[in-house]
Amino acid sequence: DIQMTQSPSSLSASIGDRVTITCRASQDISNYLAWYQQKPGKVPNLLISAASTLQSGVPSRFSGSGSGTDFTLTINSLQPEDVATYFCQKYNIAPRTFGQGTKVEIK
Amino acid sequence: QVQLVESGGGLVKPGGSLRLSCAASGFTLGDYYMSWIRQAPGKGLEWVSYISNSGSVIYYADSVKGRFTISRDNAKNSLYLQMNSLRAEDTAVYYCARDGWFGESISWGQGTLVTVAS
Repeated sequence: DIQMTQSPSSLSASIGDRVTITCRASQDISNYLAWYQQKPGKVPNLLISAASTLQSGVPSRFSGSGSGTDFTLTINSLQPEDVATYFCQKYNIAPRTFGQGTKVEIK
Repeated sequence: QVQLVESGGGLVKPGGSLRLSCAASGFTLGDYYMSWIRQAPGKGLEWVSYISNSGSVIYYADSVKGRFTISRDNAKNSLYLQMNSLRAEDTAVYYCARDGWFGESISWGQGTLVTVAS
């Protein structure tokens, strides 16, 4: 099975900082990569699909890039409401494995 | 608007069974693949299973294969997860999710908590 490895597992950044989270697949998954945001105590929410397609209603400070095995979620100008855990997921074939998550906090 | 409401969670002893339900509204269930995803307390997300819109294609995570059964009744706008031979490590919030065209989970329910303990 394909493994998904996220890094870092947690980070602390200041308001306005640019934050980058990476997700690496153990095999080529083309662009079948999604990013989810889970705020504390809330349900996960799809931010990005197909590695770089921003979902409707998601602020434009979020962006995704990558293809094949290496992917990046970037938050330009971190805001207080971005405090959350972010998960990547590959969905080309089963199992639709999630990364272990990256917890983003405000410094 | 799209709404997914899970039910059926609760406390069950190891080796026991539970059947989770997910009531869908605001869209035509039969048009979409559906998934179950779980999250153990304080842990990350774990994909459990998905089922095609007709029910003809089904996949499971290795951790639940042979113990869990996903099914759906499109006429009743409902998705199900039959969980047998439950273990402590199955303790989690179970979410049902509507899949997008390629398998991403675009809409999630609020989840139902399953606790396996003696």
